Amino acid sequence: GEDVEQSLFLSVREGDSSVINCTYTDSSSTYLYWYKQEPGAGLQLLTYIFSNMDMKQDQRLTVLLNKKDKHLSLRIADTQTGDSAIYFCAERAISNFGNEKLTFGTGTRLTIIP
Amino acid sequence: DGGITQSPKYLFRKEGQNVTLSCEQNLNHDAMYWYRQDPGQGLRLIYYSQIVNDFQKGDIAEGYSVSREKKESFPLTVTSAQKNPTAFYLCASSNLRGYSYEQYFGPGTRLTVT
Repeated sequence: GEDVEQSLFLSVREGDSSVINCTYTDSSSTYLYWYKQEPGAGLQLLTYIFSNMDMKQDQRLTVLLNKKDKHLSLRIADTQTGDSAIYFCAERAISNFGNEKLTFGTGTRLTIIP
Repeated sequence: DGGITQSPKYLFRKEGQNVTLSCEQNLNHDAMYWYRQDPGQGLRLIYYSQIVNDFQKGDIAEGYSVSREKKESFPLTVTSAQKNPTAFYLCASSNLRGYSYEQYFGPGTRLTVT
C-alpha cells in the first residue's frame, strides 16, 4: 500500500531557508501536494507538482521532486514567523475501487527561532 | 464566499452517545471526504463520497457512519462503537472534473468524549 513519511519536527532561524522533506512509496503517484496547517485550523493547499516535473517554484516556495528516489521537498526561502505551522505532504494514488485517494504524511511541525 | 464549513468547532460528549458532525460546501464539488487527525499520525481517511447517495469506506471507517443525501452536505456520525473517538475531524471536498484534484479543507471540529 501507500506510505508517506516525514520528519515530525524542524526548527529554523528567522530569515533562513526551511527545507521540509518527504518520501513516498507508491510509484504510480501522479500528483504530490504540500499543505499547511496553522494551529486549530484546517489544511490549506500551498502547492502541488505533477509527477513528470522535477521542480516548481512559486514565490518563496520551491518544490523539488526526485521520482527515482521517491523524494519530495519543500523549500521556504526567507522563513518568517508566519510560516510556523505543520506542513503535510500528500500523494495522489488510485484506491482499490479505482477512485482517487490522497495519502498524507504525518506532518512536519516547523518552528521559527527569532 | 465559497468554502467549506464545519460546525461546531468544539464538541463535547459523554461516552456511549452518538454524535453527528456537520460539513457543508458551496463549491459545487462532486467529492467529499472525512479525515481524522491525531497528534503525530497525520490524517487518516474515514469515509469519502464521489456522488450523491454513494460513499465508500476509507482506512478507519469502523465506528463511523455517513450519508450523502445532498451534493452540498456530508455529515459524519461518530457512534458509541468507536473505541477512541476523541480527535480533530476534518472535512474536505474536491472537484473531480479538474485535473489536479486538490482537496479543500474545512476548519475542523475538535471532538472530546469523556
